[in-house]
This record gives sequence, structure tokens and C-alpha cells, in this order.
Amino acid sequence: GQSLEQPSEVTAVEGAIVQINCTYQTSGFYGLSWYQQHDGGAPTFLSYNALDGLEETGRFSSFLSRSDSYGYLLLQELQMKDSASYFCAVRDPQSSNTGKLIFGQGTTLQVKP
Amino acid sequence: SQTIHQWPATLVQPVGSPLSLECTVEGTSNPNLYWYRQAAGRGLQLLFYSVGIGQISSEVPQNLSASRPQDRQFILSSKKLLLSDSGFYLCAWSTLPTGNTIYFGEGSWLTVV
Repeated sequence: GQSLEQPSEVTAVEGAIVQINCTYQTSGFYGLSWYQQHDGGAPTFLSYNALDGLEETGRFSSFLSRSDSYGYLLLQELQMKDSASYFCAVRDPQSSNTGKLIFGQGTTLQVKP
Repeated sequence: SQTIHQWPATLVQPVGSPLSLECTVEGTSNPNLYWYRQAAGRGLQLLFYSVGIGQISSEVPQNLSASRPQDRQFILSSKKLLLSDSGFYLCAWSTLPTGNTIYFGEGSWLTVV
């Protein structure tokens, strides 16, 4: 089956850099996505890596290593508003035409002043 | 641009009562549609997905059902709610083959009492 593992909680201070790791096991692979969810809100798309390497979007970057079945989300210059849950996700390889995503359990990031 | 709306945002229902959550997508045609559920502090569980009108696939056996009467309308229903049905319900859409991105509605908080 498919599974994703990510830490349950991460704490960092304002202005710092934090890395949230995600390892996955899947029989087929179509890329790794990251979503952000603030408390009480809906998840929103952050980034997507289909190929190895680093993708940068402002203060957020996402990295993928397909040979290691591993990726991470890097948040720089942390702000209080970055306190949220972060989910990694992969497409279900057994349903490639449906767009079904399998999500990790989420990492709760707490940014402290 | 594409938008997704779901309602109601919050509801409190007694055990044994019916449920109807509705979701509509605007600005796109023939989207893939999804219903996810999220228990408090937990990950996202896919309940149903649909690749076209009248085509519904269920991911887990449960007390819920879904219907897609129109291309951009997705409805989640129950005839008799259970306490365990409480949670945060999220409708989402995607188009393929554009990567692993799905877009979520605002969510509906359901409390069964």
C-alpha cells in the first residue's frame, strides 16, 4: 500500500528556518505535494515536486529526492502566521486518472516569538 | 478563475437525523470531485470521489453516501447520522493531467450530538 510519514510537531522561533520532512512508500510515483492548513480552515496548496531538486516559492521551498523516497518543505524567515499544519501528499498510483491524493498525517508547526 | 463553495459551514445534528452537504465548483468543466473528512487534529481521509456525472466511488464503508447530479455539483448525504460522523468535511476538485494539485472548499464542521 501507500504511506507517508512526517513528524507530528515542530516548534521554531520567529525569523528562523524550519524543515519539515516527509518520507513516502508508494508502488508508483507522480510527484510530491505540500499543503498548508491553518487551524479551523481548509488546506491550501503550497508546492509540487515532480522531479528531483528544489522548488522555491518566496519564503517556502520544497525538495524532492525520488531515489530516497524523501522530500521536505523548507520555511524561511518564519512568521507567526506560518503556525499551521503542513501535509505532504502523493497521488494514488492505483487510480492515476482520478487525481486521488493520499495525505500524510500532518505536521503541526508552532512558531514562537 | 475557478472557485469552489460548500455549505453549510457549520451544523449540529442529533444522532439519527439526516445530513446533506453540498458543494459546487465554478469556472471549470468536468472536474474530478472529492469528499474528505478530517477528525479533530488528524489527517485527511478520502470518503468519495467522482470523475463524472453519476459516477461515484467510495473509499471506505460507512454511513455516508455521495451523489453528483450535475457536472459541478457534489453532495454528501446520510440518512441517519452517528456520533462517529462528527468531523470536518471538505469538498475538493481537480483537473487532470495537471499534476497533484487539488483545491479545497471552505469546509463544513459537523457535530453530531
